[in-house]
Amino acid sequence: EVQVLESGGGLVQPGGSLRLSCAASGFTFSSYAMSWVRQAPGKGLEWVSAISGSGSTYYADSVKGRFTISRDNSKNTLSLLMNSLRAEDTALYYCAKDSSGMGNYFTWFDYWGQGALVTVSS
Amino acid sequence: DIQMTQSPSSVSASVGDRVTITCRATQGITNWLAWYQQKPGKVPKLLIYAASSLQSGVPSRFSGSGSGTDFTLTINSLQPEDFATYYCQQADSFPLTFGGGTKVEIK
Repeated sequence: EVQVLESGGGLVQPGGSLRLSCAASGFTFSSYAMSWVRQAPGKGLEWVSAISGSGSTYYADSVKGRFTISRDNSKNTLSLLMNSLRAEDTALYYCAKDSSGMGNYFTWFDYWGQGALVTVSS
Repeated sequence: DIQMTQSPSSVSASVGDRVTITCRATQGITNWLAWYQQKPGKVPKLLIYAASSLQSGVPSRFSGSGSGTDFTLTINSLQPEDFATYYCQQADSFPLTFGGGTKVEIK
């Protein structure tokens, strides 16, 4: 059974840092691109960042230069390091598995974690 | 960046109705489009991919159509469990983008 489970959310002050992690199981992790998608309270879905199976990375303009996505294929884990956090980064952050089994393809998301809540506030 | 515009933003419908939601891209994306359903407090669920392919386990009353810039999600014979918010997402190019969502409410 495919599972993705986020951890690391919490309350952080503006300008602070936080690292989210996602533990994956039930599929060949290295064969799939992975993404982070966020949802601010009461708002829609916003793609944040993606990483291919081999480690190529992509970012939304809103987080470029502040967030860093990475993966450890030996540990089946995905991470998102968030620096210089702003109030507008407050959201539920989902770890999402790409549906394509071709690790360097980015398509749509067939499995989502339950989300990690990040609150940026003083 | 490719912007995705959904309409309507909300629709009121009754059980048994047919509901149609549209999604328009600011440039052609061939068929690189997916549809998701999200219920309150729940995780988004993939319904349709590649514009018209039904994800495994999704009821056949859901269907998708379109290519290029204009796409449609149709729900035939709306069921009580279908009241939710629906999102489209383009996968043609980065940044990946979602539509603003369409809330299907009970009439």
